[in-house]
Amino acid sequence: GQNIDQPTEMTATEGAIVQINCTYQTSGFNGLFWYQQHAGEAPTFLSYNVLDGLEEKGRFSSFLSRSKGYSYLLLKELQMKDSASYLCAVRDPYSGAGSYQLTFGKGTKLSVIP
Amino acid sequence: DTAVSQTPKYLVTQMGNDKSIKCEQNLGHDTMYWYKQDSKKFLKIMFSYNNKELIINETVPNRFSPKSPDKAHLNLHINSLELGDSAVYFCASSQDAISGSPADTQYFGPGTRLTVL
Repeated sequence: GQNIDQPTEMTATEGAIVQINCTYQTSGFNGLFWYQQHAGEAPTFLSYNVLDGLEEKGRFSSFLSRSKGYSYLLLKELQMKDSASYLCAVRDPYSGAGSYQLTFGKGTKLSVIP
Repeated sequence: DTAVSQTPKYLVTQMGNDKSIKCEQNLGHDTMYWYKQDSKKFLKIMFSYNNKELIINETVPNRFSPKSPDKAHLNLHINSLELGDSAVYFCASSQDAISGSPADTQYFGPGTRLTVL
């Protein structure tokens, strides 16, 4: 099984940088995803890491250390629209049905304040 | 143009009723999923399905059953609804798995908020 931990809530100021951490203990690992979910909406894909290191996509970056079971999502130049929940998800080893299942953490609710 | 769509968006019903939620994807994906997100916003997989295999999360009651008329649709049927079934249900889809690739990134529908009274 998978155990995934993230902080429940964070608050940051508009224009600042925030780092959202995710730690996991898993019986198998095949990649880590970050999703963004605005209140009342669907989760949307942000980033994917399968190898150690940093992946950068515009204002968002994601880091992975497989040996430490650790990832973080870095958001730069925060905007008010970045207020949302950020979900860390670990992809399980292949279990059938044509794809790999995702196990989600409980999400981090980020509030961006002026 | 909606990639993954669900109907209805809101569903309010009485305990003991049977209801269905429909999901359609126009992405040409081969695999579809159902997730349940509870009041604490915890998103949990219920089913993974393509035309060959159905993977059921062992914690899902057998009152829940996915039904797929074709590759683009995966409906969720729920029998004998209970209060604890109240949640938001998300459908998602992805391409077939390619080992170590983000190609099977999952795309989510807008969700169906189910309230059981």
